[in-house]
Amino acid sequence: GESVGLHLPTLSVQEGDNSIINCAYSNSASDYFIWYKQESGKGPQFIIDIRSNMDKRQGQRVTVLLNKTVKHLSLQIAATQPGDSAVYFCAENIGSWGKLQFGAGTQVVVTP
Amino acid sequence: EADIYQTPRYLVIGTGKKITLECSQTMGHDKMYWYQQDPGMELHLIHYSYGVNSTEKGDLSSESTVSRIRTEHFPLTLESARPSHTSQYLCASSYETQYFGPGTRLLVL
Repeated sequence: GESVGLHLPTLSVQEGDNSIINCAYSNSASDYFIWYKQESGKGPQFIIDIRSNMDKRQGQRVTVLLNKTVKHLSLQIAATQPGDSAVYFCAENIGSWGKLQFGAGTQVVVTP
Repeated sequence: EADIYQTPRYLVIGTGKKITLECSQTMGHDKMYWYQQDPGMELHLIHYSYGVNSTEKGDLSSESTVSRIRTEHFPLTLESARPSHTSQYLCASSYETQYFGPGTRLLVL
């Protein structure tokens, strides 16, 4: 079936470096994508979103890139900090009522 | 930040007990959702609601039930808890983007 998946289950990055988290999706009808950050013991926290009519969107220290040709989504975190250590999920919005399909998540570990 | 609340945050309960997990939001969102998540794993949708008196089952089969009598409230009930129900339960609400509560960690002994 259609699915959203992440390439790397764990990403180790040195403090101050940039992080790139990748996500592949297979549903070409998806029109809205979201990145969430989940810290241990907490619910997912919205980071940034992007619609299918865009290929790039920037937030505070984060950038989401969407490549519809290859059905690929990435999240870039600039100057990664210890507080960025968490599991990151991409999700795609399928349908008109807001149903999300989540990928498996990538654990980001920031080392000093 | 989203104003969505879940209680209890942690629950340890014996097999066969009836439990209700509470979820409330103050944003006036019509859409609400329940997800089940095992540690380090992806989220699986178990219930959703378009609005008052509207409830639907999600992608993952669940023995739980939900109700939506008020816009702001979307409780989840397990009539008879079993060890297989041990998991984290996350509630979310949306106009478009889903915002999540802190979750309830359930342990059934």
